[in-house]
Amino acid sequence: QLQLQESGPGLLKPSETLSLTCTVSGGSVSSSSSYWGWIRQPPGKGLEWIGSIHYSGSTYYNPSLRSRVTISVDTSRNQFSLKLTSVTAADTAIYYCARLGIYCSGDNCYLSYFDPWGQGTLVTVSS
Amino acid sequence: SYELTQPPSVSVSAGQTASITCSGDKLGDQYASWYQQKPGQSPIVVIYQDTKRPSGIPERFSGTSSGNTVTLTISGTQAMDEADYYCQAWDSNTAVFGGGTKLTVL
Repeated sequence: QLQLQESGPGLLKPSETLSLTCTVSGGSVSSSSSYWGWIRQPPGKGLEWIGSIHYSGSTYYNPSLRSRVTISVDTSRNQFSLKLTSVTAADTAIYYCARLGIYCSGDNCYLSYFDPWGQGTLVTVSS
Repeated sequence: SYELTQPPSVSVSAGQTASITCSGDKLGDQYASWYQQKPGQSPIVVIYQDTKRPSGIPERFSGTSSGNTVTLTISGTQAMDEADYYCQAWDSNTAVFGGGTKLTVL
């Protein structure tokens, strides 16, 4: 059974860099049929996709965060990571990692849905 | 930027049918997924590719697509279905979530 677990600091000061890691168990981050993603949720608000990565290095980022985000994968540790620079209070949120499936139709493949999700980790940005 | 529009709230009496809509300009060209999130829990997918139900999701959950609107229907709604529901779709490899709908079971 595939499981994901986020880890990283829960409290940051403004202007610092947020760094989170997602550890994958019960499956391989090197699966060719999977992307891996980060999604966040400010307290009491909705979901916002941050970005996704394939073990090959292919990445997609939310245009609104692209200038501050880097997602990377470490196949040797079966992990993928998120870095978000120059954080502000607006970046306070629960951060989730999730597997992103791919479906193919004919010769074309498309990004699909997020499943499963990690339990989430609350990151608070405060001076 | 691409947006998906959901009603903020829907109420339904227990045992009745609940319908939650999600509208977006490109939904006719892209598949959508639906996620259920209960308080303090991570989201889980209940419908993917507009109409497919993952294993383990009760049959009372179904999805339909018509034009630029996708709909999540819960038949015979139970108290345990009270949750926030989010639709999600893709726009040029960018994931977009709807604002979420709070389902209240009366």
